[in-house]
Amino acid sequence: DSGVTQTPKHLITATGQRVTLRCSPRSGDLSVYWYQQSLDQGLQFLIQYYNGEERAKGNILERFSAQQFPDLHSELNLSSLELGDSALYFCASSVAGLGNEKLFFGSGTQLSVL
Amino acid sequence: DQQVKQNSPSLSVQEGRISILNCDYTNSMFDYFLWYKKYPAEGPTFLISISSIKDKNEDGRFTVFLNKSAKHLSLHIVPSQPGDSAVYFCAASEFITGANSKLTFGKGITLSVRP
Repeated sequence: DSGVTQTPKHLITATGQRVTLRCSPRSGDLSVYWYQQSLDQGLQFLIQYYNGEERAKGNILERFSAQQFPDLHSELNLSSLELGDSALYFCASSVAGLGNEKLFFGSGTQLSVL
Repeated sequence: DQQVKQNSPSLSVQEGRISILNCDYTNSMFDYFLWYKKYPAEGPTFLISISSIKDKNEDGRFTVFLNKSAKHLSLHIVPSQPGDSAVYFCAASEFITGANSKLTFGKGITLSVRP
């Protein structure tokens, strides 16, 4: 158990809909990351937060947004969903959000857009 | 543009033998490298890392080698065990410069260790 909790584990929805994925980081970790893993793709970095502030942004679509709350949990909002958004979405956390830190990953949310 | 490349999608080795997983990168600003292992239905877990000031780091059965001039790193597992069967991701970051703290991952290599 990594200590990172992601909910829900599975999500099935239709095109055009909006969903929210939730992540609770490991106790004591201030930084949260979101990654997307599509079929035959590696882990694509979406966005990183540190103590409530956005720190780094990757290939995140404008239809996607995220935030980190004062209690350090984070939510990833995906709107106007398309079939291609079907993927495994991972949240990870680390203590200080530095590039030499190991990340602790949750078990992911499997999103299926039908 | 894939900045971290794991060109072999899969590798199969016999139990007890050495597994060598390769990774290439294109961004010369990367200065910290990590390997993660992922089992089905689980998130990736950290395995081993190496800084660009070193060319080798060892942890038990796992050794990572870094060749900066070739922009290449490899993970050696000796001896390989059936429990090592998993997907292995190579990742890199620009740690020292502080310019970019995010980790860039490769697509992963599926390792199968045959009993």
